[in-house]
Amino acid sequence: SAVISQKPSRDICQRGTSLTIQCQVDSQVTMMFWYRQQPGQSLTLIATANQGSEATYESGFVIDKFPISRPNLTFSTLTVSNMSPEDSSIYLCSVDRGLNTEAFFGQGTRLTVV
Amino acid sequence: GQQLNQSPQSMFIQEGEDVSMNCTSSSIFNTWLWYKQEPGEGPVLLIALYKAGELTSNGRLTAQFGITRKDSFLNISASIPSDVGIYFCAGPDSNYQLIWGAGTKLIIKP
Repeated sequence: SAVISQKPSRDICQRGTSLTIQCQVDSQVTMMFWYRQQPGQSLTLIATANQGSEATYESGFVIDKFPISRPNLTFSTLTVSNMSPEDSSIYLCSVDRGLNTEAFFGQGTRLTVV
Repeated sequence: GQQLNQSPQSMFIQEGEDVSMNCTSSSIFNTWLWYKQEPGEGPVLLIALYKAGELTSNGRLTAQFGITRKDSFLNISASIPSDVGIYFCAGPDSNYQLIWGAGTKLIIKP
């Protein structure tokens, strides 16, 4: 398994501002994944981040709203830009063992936008 | 696209009872994963299944990969208060992206 540290664990932000979430893994991984989990809902994949290339975004998510960095094989950031109350969710960072099986997660960032 | 139908949505049980939840799909999956999520935490992998018919245990938890490869169940025996949480099934689609069930919320009556 991998140990994944995510910061911040929670934040309350004003609408119109941006928040950058950090994800640090204790070992080198090829792909890192960012998920959103809206209150009482399941997980929705936002994007897949590979080191050295642009992130691949899922339908309904765009780079301008959720810019992602992947500067090396152990770190990634997700920014939630120009936030609105609808962005209030848990954001989760994940890595896997390859072929997206046995995914491991950070503890998540609980974001509240007021 | 592929979908996972997870049921029940929630369960209210007495401590000591056995619990059963399942996931079904109209599509074939080659891997079934079962996760538990507690408040304020990310999902934690409980059991991974890779072969049709496979039955795997992890302590009081038992999961099976359906023989048709379109379903899986998770059983918890003799539930205890720390079993409370949301249980998710998941499996990779043909593009190796994880598809998630809606979750089963387990609540234990005092």
